[in-house]
Amino acid sequence: DSGVTQTPKHLITATGQRVTLRCSPRSGDLSVYWYQQSLDQGLQFLIQYYNGEERAKGNILERFSAQQFPDLHSELNLSSLELGDSALYFCASSVEGGNTGELFFGEGSRLTVL
Amino acid sequence: GEDVEQSLFLSVREGDSSVINCTYTDSSSTYLYWYKQEPGAGLQLLTYIFSNMDMKQDQRLTVLLNKKDKHLSLRIADTQTGDSAIYFCAERGGTSYGKLTFGQGTILTVHP
Repeated sequence: DSGVTQTPKHLITATGQRVTLRCSPRSGDLSVYWYQQSLDQGLQFLIQYYNGEERAKGNILERFSAQQFPDLHSELNLSSLELGDSALYFCASSVEGGNTGELFFGEGSRLTVL
Repeated sequence: GEDVEQSLFLSVREGDSSVINCTYTDSSSTYLYWYKQEPGAGLQLLTYIFSNMDMKQDQRLTVLLNKKDKHLSLRIADTQTGDSAIYFCAERGGTSYGKLTFGQGTILTVHP
């Protein structure tokens, strides 16, 4: 158990819909990262938040947005969903400035868009 | 930008050694990591190596880093069927604010 909690584990929805994925980082971790894993793209970095502020942005579509709340949990909002958005979405957290810089991953939220 | 490449498949017999290779492009990488993903699970950190090291050994795992060639390898000694999984190489750049760039993963299959 990494200590990172993601909900929901599975989600099935239709094209055009909007969903919200939630992540609770490990206790004490200030940084939260979102990654998308798909068969064709592999693990793609989407976005990072640190203590409520956006820190780095990767290959995140404009239809997607994220935020980190004062209690440090984070949400990833996916809107106007397309078939190609079907993927496993991982949240990870880390201790900023930690010696090893490792990321601790949740078990992921599997999104299926029909 | 940063890029990390791995071979996609590796098949070995139980008891043999497995070697998974990875190349990366970011010369400012500070740490390099090996993560393991089992079916239906998240990524689990196996080991990491700091960029000023050449080798790190941790029980059955040996990591070799050739910084000049930007080549990283993971050797698993006495590979077991429970080692069957996807193995990801990842690098942390010097200016990436902590985000990791992952390779596409190597699917390791261990045959009895």
